[in-house]
Amino acid sequence: GDSVTQTEGQVTVSESKSLIINCTYSATSIGYPNLFWYVRYPGEGLQLLLKVITAGQKGSSRGFEATYNKEATSFHLQKASVQESDSAVYYCALSLNYNQGKLIFGQGTKLSIKP
Amino acid sequence: GPKVLQIPSHQIIDMGQMVTLNCDPVSNHLYFYWYKQILGQQMEFLVNFYNGKVMEKSKLFKDQFSVERPDGSYFTLKIQPTALEDSAVYFCASSSILQNSDYTFGSGTRLLVI
Repeated sequence: GDSVTQTEGQVTVSESKSLIINCTYSATSIGYPNLFWYVRYPGEGLQLLLKVITAGQKGSSRGFEATYNKEATSFHLQKASVQESDSAVYYCALSLNYNQGKLIFGQGTKLSIKP
Repeated sequence: GPKVLQIPSHQIIDMGQMVTLNCDPVSNHLYFYWYKQILGQQMEFLVNFYNGKVMEKSKLFKDQFSVERPDGSYFTLKIQPTALEDSAVYFCASSSILQNSDYTFGSGTRLLVI
């Protein structure tokens, strides 16, 4: 079936250090799903961080970036230097149809930043 | 930016009773969604709704669940009767009819069935 896997439930990184949050996907019903990273800051709703709808492309926003790797079926989220304000829960997701289609989410990764 | 509001933010209800979760979507959005997240698990799609009709629903959308948006007011999720396993956070989202439109999510309603 179609699914998204985030292997780390929680990640702690020191401020100004680099970050990678892993995401792999399986899309058996469609060759090239659309891929997303969402973020939930404490007390707020889910927000779109970045999206990539074309395999091989890279998306970026607020210093974060993720590359759609169809060979590895991965969409890892990276940031070169994290800040305390990046503390949040990050969700990788895919959709099979960008036009109002449902999202399939990973389990989420809680990012904590050490000062 | 525009927001999706969910009312109430928390609800405690006795098993077997009815509950209605309310969602005030972004004003020009016409597609509406409910997602369910049980504590410690991933967010899962329940249903989407357009033009007064359910477009797609998942196996989690049991017969006890129903959605509607009467007269362009709140988009609601009703559970009747509730069961213990309905305890979760329910997230509403909306999107426009424009191609490649992004979702706007609400902050969720935390439902506890006791």
